[in-house]
Amino acid sequence: ELKVEQNPLFLSMQEGKNYTIYCNYSTTSDRLYWYRQDPGKSLESLFVLLSNGAVKQEGRLMASLDTKARLSTLHITAAVHDLSATYFCAVDRSSGSRLTFGEGTQLTVNP
Amino acid sequence: DAGITQSPRYKITETGRQVTLMCHQTWSHSYMFWYRQDLGHGLRLIYYSAAADITDKGEVPDGYVVSRSKTENFPLTLESATRSQTSVYFCASSVSASGRGQYFGPGTRLTVT
Repeated sequence: ELKVEQNPLFLSMQEGKNYTIYCNYSTTSDRLYWYRQDPGKSLESLFVLLSNGAVKQEGRLMASLDTKARLSTLHITAAVHDLSATYFCAVDRSSGSRLTFGEGTQLTVNP
Repeated sequence: DAGITQSPRYKITETGRQVTLMCHQTWSHSYMFWYRQDLGHGLRLIYYSAAADITDKGEVPDGYVVSRSKTENFPLTLESATRSQTSVYFCASSVSASGRGQYFGPGTRLTVT
């Protein structure tokens, strides 16, 4: 059974600081996704990582994938309040596109 | 409107009632999915469908029924609602096993009293 673990689950940080969210998964997969969810809203796709060593960047967020370590990271650079949200990683369990989600990391960026 | 829609957006029902949540997508995506989201559990897959008339169970299928007679629609039915089914339900779709990820609907907040 595939397990996906994120840490931390709760993160409170100051504007301007850097931090990293970690996503570990238990079985082999080379497809990993990051989503953002604002309170009361749906999930929005942030990054699609499809191979070992993949790195994607958008604004202050950068995601990477190490399939050998079964680890993905979401790095936040110089955080701003607008990044406050819950971030989920999800791993593709099979060629059928079924995703297993982590519990999510609730990020709060304080002024 | 193009995209993926869900209805109703909010629903309150009583224990034991049957309720159906609707999901409609305009992209002709092959795959469709139903998730529930609960605090402390993230999103859990209830059922999914690879194409019309093909459905399969996910992690938490008990108490739910799905059908998919048309590619664009994927209704989820709670045959006899229980309080433990109070949750936010998300429908999603994807093109295929292409790795492009899933696109999510706006969600349905269901309360079972």
